[in-house]
Amino acid sequence: QKEVEQNSGPLSVPEGAIASLNCTYSDRGSQSFFWYRQYSGKSPELIMSIYSNGDKEDGRFTAQLNKASQYVSLLIRDSQPSDSATYLCAVMVAGANSKLTFGKGITLSVRP
Amino acid sequence: DAGITQSPRHKVTETGTPVTLRCHQTENHRYMYWYRQDPGHGLRLIHYSYGVKDTDKGEVSDGYSVSRSKTEDFLLTLESATSSQTSVYFCAITSRVDYGYTFGSGTRLTVV
Repeated sequence: QKEVEQNSGPLSVPEGAIASLNCTYSDRGSQSFFWYRQYSGKSPELIMSIYSNGDKEDGRFTAQLNKASQYVSLLIRDSQPSDSATYLCAVMVAGANSKLTFGKGITLSVRP
Repeated sequence: DAGITQSPRHKVTETGTPVTLRCHQTENHRYMYWYRQDPGHGLRLIHYSYGVKDTDKGEVSDGYSVSRSKTEDFLLTLESATSSQTSVYFCAITSRVDYGYTFGSGTRLTVV
């Protein structure tokens, strides 16, 4: 059973702070990693993908991957109230018709 | 979402009736997926398709069937709806398995 675990949350940070969201996965064959943002009542939206160890930055977002420790994280710098949403970690094991396995998500609240 | 539409957006149905949800894409993507999202469970894969007439089961496929007779349409059928199938259903598409998915807007289904 492939498992993707996220901190139960919710997570609350003040505006302007760094929000750190963590995710661990069980299958060492995992190859592709994604972070989705989902606003209440809306569909998930892809915000970051990462495939190799290290950091990947995109604007205020940084994804970090450590395959040896089997974790992937998302840092949101200068957090804004508009970042308040549920963040889903998703992992894919290599294979021809592989599918994404999602964590249960963590809800982030950014306090003005 | 651009290129992928789900219908209907909302539906209330009675226990024991068949229900079909439709996912339509204009992106000509090979891969299509049906997920359900429930509080405490996150996104769980029901069925997926890797081409016309090529489908396979996900982790929660009991009570559901799918069909894909054209690239652009992926239908999810609840053969005899039960209250446990009350959920939000999301369709997702991608052109490559190691790319992230694009999600439709979702269908909120209530079985009474």
